[in-house]
Order: sequence, then C-alpha cells, then structure tokens
Amino acid sequence: EVQLVESGGGLVQPGGSLRLSCAASGFTFSSYWMSWVRQAPGKGLEWVANIKQDGSEKYYVDSVKGRFTISRDNAKNSLYLQMNSLRAEDTAVYYCARCQYSSPIDYWGQGTLVTVSS
Amino acid sequence: SYVLTQPPSVSVAPGQTARITCGGNNIGSKSVHWYQQKPGQAPVLVVYDDSDRPSGIPERFSGSNSGNTATLTISRVEAGDEADYYCQVWDSSSDHQVFGTGTKVTVL
Repeated sequence: EVQLVESGGGLVQPGGSLRLSCAASGFTFSSYWMSWVRQAPGKGLEWVANIKQDGSEKYYVDSVKGRFTISRDNAKNSLYLQMNSLRAEDTAVYYCARCQYSSPIDYWGQGTLVTVSS
Repeated sequence: SYVLTQPPSVSVAPGQTARITCGGNNIGSKSVHWYQQKPGQAPVLVVYDDSDRPSGIPERFSGSNSGNTATLTISRVEAGDEADYYCQVWDSSSDHQVFGTGTKVTVL
C-alpha cells in the first residue's frame, strides 16, 4: 500500500524557516517524480514544486522561487521542502504527492499545516 | 502562465447529471486530470488523461476535452459526490503543474 506521511508543520513567525518532510512507503520511491502541493485555508489547490527521480531537475511556482527548496533522499525514501523567508501568504496545508513528469498525481499524503503568523 | 478557469459552484439534484467545465487556452491539446476533494481530506484522482478512470472510480465519472474546454461529467449523482472538484494540466512551456480554480458541487 502506497503511503505518504508528512511532518514538520507548525506555527512560525514571518521571515522564519521551516522544513517539511515526507516519508514514503509501499512503492519504489526512486522511480517517481515527487511534488509538494499546498492549499491555503478555504482556498484551492496550488502546485508548489516538483523534483525528478534523481534530484537533477527541480521546478517551482514563481511565488516560492528563491525561498523554498525541494530535495529528496532516495536511500531514506524521503522528500523534503525547506521553506525560508516565510510570509503570511504561505499559510496552508502542504501535501506531499507522487507523480510522474507530466502525469497526474496518483497518491497524496494527508497534509501538514503551516501557519505563518506573529 | 497558463490559467484554468472553473465555475465556483454547481448544484444538482440526486440522480441527475452534473457537468463541471474547465476552461483554458487550447486545452484540447493537453491532457486534463480531475480530482475530487471532500472536506478535511486529501484530493483523490477521479479522471486522468481527459477521460480515463483510475481503478475503483465509478463509471458515473467521465471526462471529455476539446477546443478551449474540458468537462467532467458525473452521472446519476449521489449525495456522496458532494465535494470540491479541480482540473489540472501540465504546462510544458514552463514545466509547471497547473490546477483549476475549483468547483464546489452541491447535491440538493
């Protein structure tokens, strides 16, 4: 059974940093692109970032470029999102998701809430 | 950047058909995927590549895509279909995934 379990969310002050983790199991993690998708309270889904199987290609939505970094450790079956210079508008539930390059997201984690507030 | 536009809401009586549109420039040239999200839950893929259904998704869910509009059709709507629905494409010009604005389906 495919499982994606996020952790690391919480309350952080504007300008602060947070690192999200996603533990993957039930599939060959190193064979898949992975994504982070977020959803602000009461709002729609927003894709945040993608990373290729070997980490050699990464793509970001414009609003997080230069502030967020997606990475992975295939030996640990883990995906990460380092978030720096956080803003109030980054407040959202962050989902870890499995995908292939241009294919649909077929599995999602349960999400972790990030709240940016003073 | 590529934009996908959906109606904010669709209302339908039980047993009737709900149609949810997703508008985008020449969207017919792209593969469109649809997700269902119920309150407090992660999204679930219900249609991929315009009209294919993942295993376990009822045949009542179907999709089409042509020109500037893709459509998700839910036939014989049930109370359990009440949810938010999002379309999604891959924008090859920017290597970005793009989600639609979302449609809330209400079963009357």
